[in-house]
Amino acid sequence: GENVEQHPSTLSVQEGDSAVIKCTYSDSASNYFPWYKQELGKRPQLIIDIRSNVGEKKDQRIAVTLNKTAKHFSLHITETQPEDSAVYFCAASIPGAGSYQLTFGKGTKLSVIP
Amino acid sequence: EAGVTQFPSHSVIEKGQTVTLRCDPISGHDNLYWYRRVMGKEIKFLLHFVKESKQDESGMPNNRFLAERTGGTYSTLKVQPAELEDSGVYFCASSHGTGGDTGELFFGEGSRLTVL
Repeated sequence: GENVEQHPSTLSVQEGDSAVIKCTYSDSASNYFPWYKQELGKRPQLIIDIRSNVGEKKDQRIAVTLNKTAKHFSLHITETQPEDSAVYFCAASIPGAGSYQLTFGKGTKLSVIP
Repeated sequence: EAGVTQFPSHSVIEKGQTVTLRCDPISGHDNLYWYRRVMGKEIKFLLHFVKESKQDESGMPNNRFLAERTGGTYSTLKVQPAELEDSGVYFCASSHGTGGDTGELFFGEGSRLTVL
């Protein structure tokens, strides 16, 4: 089955700096890669996603890049703000046979220091 | 529109007892998923319903776990008897995706289970 590795497990940045979180996946059949943000005590929420036919996607201060050859994808947050502090999860999904389960990474706890 | 709701938000039970977690998906979402996050580890897939049918239950840890979705609306996840290693946060998610398209998963806030 699919295996997703996520690094780093914790990340502290100064407000205004950039943050990068990296994930690798094992199954080349994966074609959907969402990122979820979970604030303390709240539900995970989708912040951005990318499909395998796209190399990069941007939404304001966040961007995701995908390298299918190397089987890795990254989340980039620019001009970080205190409200970006949360746990971020990457995930990968393999389509087929009616099952759309996501395989998640272990999460990255991002702390933005004012 | 109401989001995915889960109940209870936190349950503390003793080893050997039974707990039932409930999930109400977003209305109209045929796909319902259960995930679990054990402390410090990844969110792991447990199972997937399409309407009332179990599409994939490959992530269920063992036969102490029973999930149902009678009528294709809300779902329950029963743990009987509970063991210490069952402690964690149980997330429910729903989606509207069909066919080969993985629709966005909308998560509930989770049910934290503590087994003493």
